[in-house]
Parts: sequence; structure tokens; C-alpha cells
Amino acid sequence: QKEVEQDPGPLSVPEGAIVSLNCTYSNSAFQYFMWYRQYSRKGPELLMYTYSSGNKEDGRFTAQVDKSSKYISLFIRDSQPSDSATYLCAILDYGGSQGNLIFGKGTKLSVKP
Amino acid sequence: NAGVTQTPKFRILKIGQSMTLQCTQDMNHNYMYWYRQDPGMGLKLIYYSVGAGITDKGEVPNGYNVSRSTTEDFPLRLELAAPSQTSVYFCASSYSPNGGNEQFFGPGTRLTVL
Repeated sequence: QKEVEQDPGPLSVPEGAIVSLNCTYSNSAFQYFMWYRQYSRKGPELLMYTYSSGNKEDGRFTAQVDKSSKYISLFIRDSQPSDSATYLCAILDYGGSQGNLIFGKGTKLSVKP
Repeated sequence: NAGVTQTPKFRILKIGQSMTLQCTQDMNHNYMYWYRQDPGMGLKLIYYSVGAGITDKGEVPNGYNVSRSTTEDFPLRLELAAPSQTSVYFCASSYSPNGGNEQFFGPGTRLTVL
């Protein structure tokens, strides 16, 4: 079983819709969870991170972690065409000599005007 | 600050050729990383460095080499290029590897091996 699973989509929604992006992970020891956004032909940029379980909100974005289900989510409210990008979940793995990120495959989101 | 810069932006190589992908950061970060991203796949860690003179293998190091002689630069060397190395390569840096510390990514190098 891969350590981080993410549905690659693509996902197409109308402007103003609520978007839900999800990942599952296998190792219950993971504590730090991140969402990166990657615009076409650009490098990823950090959108949000959460520690342990719970919710974190930043404007129209909410990151949620359910450690009991090993499930992480990113919700986008009032989605805009400018939100069209690939969203990558990432989990910090301390299994080696230092922490390294394990990325999901990314979900490609398109928000239509 | 320019952040993380990578050169070249694009490159086409023939099988068996060699090249070096350049990466420079101006944020005085100790930690630097090289990833590859294949279509529809997430980022896979190739090599990382925790400071000048210290490097270590990531998940997919075969066919690559790195060096870190300065804090700013972290070049990635491809010896004997193969079609399987066709990918987009991203360099990243961070202040620390610990939770919540953002990795800053460069714009990527698109490499095709024919």
C-alpha cells in the first residue's frame, strides 16, 4: 500500500462551488500534513499545513485532518477560476534521518466561470 | 529575493549524454532537495542536502549524483541519460525539515531524453 493516496481527478466545477479534495495515508505516526498548490508549468507552493487532528481555516480554504480515519481534506469555498491548479497533499515523514515530505499524486482542479 | 532559481528551463538530451541541472537559492537555507515529477504522479525525492558538504539519497537516486559545495548551490548531475529520466525536475529549499517549515520550490527544468 502506497503511503499517501490521492485521487488525481481531474475535477471540474462551476465558479462559486464548494470543492473537496482528499487524501488517505497509511502510517498512523504521521503528524504534519500539508497542501501545496501547483499552477500549470510552475513549482508547487505551500497553501496550508496542519498539525495532528483538527481543522485550520485560511480565508476560503479549510484543511481538515482525521487521524482516526487517516484522512486529510482541503475544502475551497466560493471557488474562483484563479483556483484552477493541481493540489498536492504532502505528509512529513520522520522515518529517516530527517523529515522528508511524501507527496500524493495531486488532483487537477478546473473552476469554470 | 529571487528565491529558488533553476537553469535551464528546458533541455532535450540524447540517450547516453550527460548534463547538470543547476539550482541556486538566496534565502540562506541549509536544507535543499531535488524532486522529479512525472505526468500524473506526485513528486519523488531524488537527493537532499542538510548543509554544505552533506548530501543523502532520497527515494529515487539511481542515475543521478549531487554535490553541495556552498549553501546557495545544489547541482544535480545526470550521467548516461536514459528515456526513463524524462521528467520535470524541481529543486526546493527550506529553513529546516521540521513540521510546518515550508519548502520553497523553483520553477522546474523540463527534461526530455530521446
